[in-house]
Amino acid sequence: AQSVAQPEDQVNVAEGNPLTVKCTYSVSGNPYLFWYVQYPNRGLQFLLKYITGDNLVKGSYGFEAEFNKSQTSFHLKKPSALVSDSALYFCAVRDGRRALTFGSGTRLQVQP
Amino acid sequence: AAGVIQSPRHLIKEKRETATLKCYPIPRHDTVYWYQQGPGQDPQFLISFYEKMQSDKGSIPDRFSAQQFSDYHSELNMSSLELGDSALYFCASSGGGTGWDGEQYFGPGTRLTVT
Repeated sequence: AQSVAQPEDQVNVAEGNPLTVKCTYSVSGNPYLFWYVQYPNRGLQFLLKYITGDNLVKGSYGFEAEFNKSQTSFHLKKPSALVSDSALYFCAVRDGRRALTFGSGTRLQVQP
Repeated sequence: AAGVIQSPRHLIKEKRETATLKCYPIPRHDTVYWYQQGPGQDPQFLISFYEKMQSDKGSIPDRFSAQQFSDYHSELNMSSLELGDSALYFCASSGGGTGWDGEQYFGPGTRLTVT
């Protein structure tokens, strides 16, 4: 079975500092990896995906993610955090079906 | 741009009642997915439909059923509701040329509260 793990329940960072939200994956075959963000009382919004190609994937709102095959990781990054980035972030893997399997989520808190 | 529409946004039911949630995918999307997100939990895949046929099944209880209609909208029917069914139910759609590896677009969700 394919799975993703998000080891941090919460990440705190000061506005303007770089942020990293960690994700590791376990898949058989080539991974299809995604990051989604969820704001309070809102649906999940797609940020970026890795299917193949460059290990550094650029996405929406200035976010990027680095795919590392040897470490089976897909960490989400942003060079300079904004207070408005505070939200719940989910890493996900597409399994043999078309459905997504989500990690447990990481709450990002950006302090002004 | 058009997004995934879900109705109702909020629903309150009593135990043992039934509920029907509706989902209208993005135009020209051919696949609809249903997810359940319990309080403080990650979304769990329930069921999906591709071109009006059930394509995959996740952790959907036998008390729940779903279908996709000719206009591609989908309905999730939930019977004999239990307190544990209280959750946020998301619908997502994909397709429209993005293919197998395309991202899913999520609706705002229906918050179901069972009392």
